[in-house]
Amino acid sequence: NAGVTQTPKFRILKIGQSMTLQCTQDMNHNYMYWYRQDPGMGLKLIYYSVGAGITDKGEVPNGYNVSRSTTEDFPLRLELAAPSQTSVYFCASSYSGTQYFGPGTRLLVL
Amino acid sequence: AQRVTQPEKLLSVFKGAPVELKCNYSYSGSPELFWYVQYSRQRLQLLLRHISRESIKGFTADLNKGETSFHLKKPFAQEEDSAMYYCALTYYGQNFVFGPGTRLSVLP
Repeated sequence: NAGVTQTPKFRILKIGQSMTLQCTQDMNHNYMYWYRQDPGMGLKLIYYSVGAGITDKGEVPNGYNVSRSTTEDFPLRLELAAPSQTSVYFCASSYSGTQYFGPGTRLLVL
Repeated sequence: AQRVTQPEKLLSVFKGAPVELKCNYSYSGSPELFWYVQYSRQRLQLLLRHISRESIKGFTADLNKGETSFHLKKPFAQEEDSAMYYCALTYYGQNFVFGPGTRLSVLP
């Protein structure tokens, strides 16, 4: 049981580039989440999904898109990277009120 | 709006001393409260949740609805307790709000 996995671990992007952060869970959880964590700050919810085919915006969705075609996968897309998107991104799934986190992706936009 | 505050960014205590990490929340309904912990080079993981009323690694937390607090306590801190601690609440069972975190440093 790998739990929640994220790729890549670290990425440097140039302003205006696009990329997809991958997130996969093998626990068959319906709920999945994307957070960003800026230095010295708490986690801020970007998007979440309550099941395959259903996604909804969180607190800070601007500049991001998500899709949920399967229960396992919940990729996060950055279309036009901006320096303000430099952060650590965490994917999580939840079951019975408990969240299970991935190891995070550190993104630097220059 | 739902909000979680943790007033201390950094808390340093000596090994064997008691430790209390503060957490206050604002929510008009009946939230469920959690403490998550992130040890160095590890992912965030659940430490405890208020409904289970457990003691995990010697830590306990009591929900005080009158003071809207959920402080985390341990009577004797250990060096391996050094980590980032996040207080969080969930409402409707699927929406989570995290506090900014407190870094606990246990000194030898």
